[in-house]
Amino acid sequence: KQEVTQIPAALSVPEGENLVLNCSFTDSAIYNLQWFRQDPGKGLTSLLLIQSSQREQTSGRLNASLDKSSGRSTLYIAASQPGDSATYLCASGGADGLTFGKGTHLIIQP
Amino acid sequence: SAVISQKPSRDICQRGTSLTIQCQVDSQVTMMFWYRQQPGQSLTLIATANQGSEATYESGFVIDKFPISRPNLTFSTLTVSNMSPEDSSIYLCSVVGKVGATEAFFGQGTRLTVV
Repeated sequence: KQEVTQIPAALSVPEGENLVLNCSFTDSAIYNLQWFRQDPGKGLTSLLLIQSSQREQTSGRLNASLDKSSGRSTLYIAASQPGDSATYLCASGGADGLTFGKGTHLIIQP
Repeated sequence: SAVISQKPSRDICQRGTSLTIQCQVDSQVTMMFWYRQQPGQSLTLIATANQGSEATYESGFVIDKFPISRPNLTFSTLTVSNMSPEDSSIYLCSVVGKVGATEAFFGQGTRLTVV
């Protein structure tokens, strides 16, 4: 059974810093790795999807990488802004649904 | 991406009653899922909603407690039956779109409080 772990559980950084969120998974035979953002009391917004054959994906200030051999994915956020404050979730899975980590609660200090 | 509407967005219910949550998608999708997010926790998959047949439940979830319907490719319902305070959670509908697509999208969730 796939297990997904996210470190750190919480992170607070000043505005403008670059930061990295970490996600690890136990089963390297993953189908997809997807990163989401969740704002308080809201649903999930898909940020980036990395398919198993890919190594990274980029969208604006966000870059996600995938290393299946080590069971790790990272989400890099460049030039952080207060609006980036949210909980970031990574999830592994595919057509059978997703297994989620517990998330990283990110606060960007103005 | 798919636009997903969930109703209700929140509700406060008495223990022992049932609540049905609706999920409507603006386009036909291949897969629909229901997740639960307990307070302070991450998301846990409840079941896959199968069109025209019984849902596929994950370990720890049963049809009598969480009956699911999916009459067509754009609509599904989740019922939380005989509720107790432990059922207080956010319930989220998720879809995967076209055949061959793999990206999952989520509705805004239903925040349920059982008193």
